[in-house]
Amino acid sequence: DARVTQTPRHKVTEMGQEVTMRCQPILGHNTVFWYRQTMMQGLELLAYFRNRAPLDDSGMPKDRFSAEMPDATLATLKIQPSEPRDSAVYFCASGSGTSYLNEQFFGPGTRLTVL
Amino acid sequence: AQSVTQLGSHVSVSEGALVLLRCNYSSSVPPYLFWYVQYPNQGLQLLLKYTTGATLVKGINGFEAEFKKSETSFHLTKPSAHMSDAAEYFCAVINTDKLIFGTGTRLQVFP
Repeated sequence: DARVTQTPRHKVTEMGQEVTMRCQPILGHNTVFWYRQTMMQGLELLAYFRNRAPLDDSGMPKDRFSAEMPDATLATLKIQPSEPRDSAVYFCASGSGTSYLNEQFFGPGTRLTVL
Repeated sequence: AQSVTQLGSHVSVSEGALVLLRCNYSSSVPPYLFWYVQYPNQGLQLLLKYTTGATLVKGINGFEAEFKKSETSFHLTKPSAHMSDAAEYFCAVINTDKLIFGTGTRLQVFP
């Protein structure tokens, strides 16, 4: 049963600490998305990659957030330094092909709490 | 820019009753529209999508949605609610190659 995996599932940290979230896309998928979900803002696209190349990260605060794909099986989202307003659920999704019309498969999310 | 508006952040129905979740879109070009479902503590899952062709789209779990250009709507329906349908539902539209989600509607199903 192919699925997107995310680690950790929960993270509690203190303001100023570095946070790294990891995502393993479905094998064979070439597109990876990072979303953030909060009560106030809903679901926001932070960044996405195709064939490991970043295509758009305009939704991401550049000064503290960074997203990378070291290889085809791993995507990372880092926050440094973290702030309380970063508390949210962060979702990774993967898809295949080159069209947004193709289904995105979501992981279970990382629930981040920054104290 | 394309966007979607979901009317009603909460909807409650009795088991066996009709489910109707409303979504209106704004788009200057023919829209591509989606409905996703999120069960508690899980990621989103695609229910159905409209791209072109038939305006009545059937999805998983007995859900369907009808694209109505004249009303700029893409409402989600299910004839008979089941307890397992309790979840949050998101309407979404593609905007310059990105999925833009609505604010979501939480569906409660009472026995």
